[in-house]
Amino acid sequence: GAVVSQHPSRVICKSGTSVKIECRSLDFQATTMFWYRQFPKQSLMLMATSNEGSKATYEQGVEKDKFLINHASLTLSTLTVTSAHPEDSSFYICSARDGQGTYYGYTFGSGTRLTVV
Amino acid sequence: AQTVTQSQPEMSVQEAETVTLSCTYDTSESDYYLFWYKQPPSRQMILVIRQEAYKQQNATENRFSVNFQKAAKSFSLKISDSQLGDGAMYFCAYRNAGKSTFGDGTTLTVKP
Repeated sequence: GAVVSQHPSRVICKSGTSVKIECRSLDFQATTMFWYRQFPKQSLMLMATSNEGSKATYEQGVEKDKFLINHASLTLSTLTVTSAHPEDSSFYICSARDGQGTYYGYTFGSGTRLTVV
Repeated sequence: AQTVTQSQPEMSVQEAETVTLSCTYDTSESDYYLFWYKQPPSRQMILVIRQEAYKQQNATENRFSVNFQKAAKSFSLKISDSQLGDGAMYFCAYRNAGKSTFGDGTTLTVKP
């Protein structure tokens, strides 16, 4: 089945630094990647949607300059948290849609737990 | 905007028994998809079952089945013969035009 590899699984960074999270589709072409944020015991909140080769579409309230998303190829999308602060600590998950746009559940990465100290 | 409501923050079931998780949603669309995802402690989201809104027949996947009531905008998940490994957080999700909306989740505990 389709697999999305997400790295790193855990990262601790100092306040003010930037962190990059990668999501790679291993056996299919991810034309669209969704980035979510999840707080403990809470739901997944969509941050942005990225299509290969074009700019990401951000949800209301999500800072574009803080959460930089790049989807330069059909197999790789990255989320960079710039100038991270403790309030950015959260669990980030990507979810990929393949080019066929099937009705199947999109494939999720395994998530990244970000801790900003 | 579409909303998904899971009214049961926590549920518990005895091993081998049956449990039903509730989900309601609000939409003005007629064509959409509904999903149940399982998120175990590893936090990996796992697709449990899916339903196309245009299909009247309820989806089933082994021990998992849904009760889809389109007019009532209800999409409940029934887990039969519950197993310890079923313990996890379950999310109901609605998808239309490629974008998904998730409920707040139900934490299911399976007691031995």
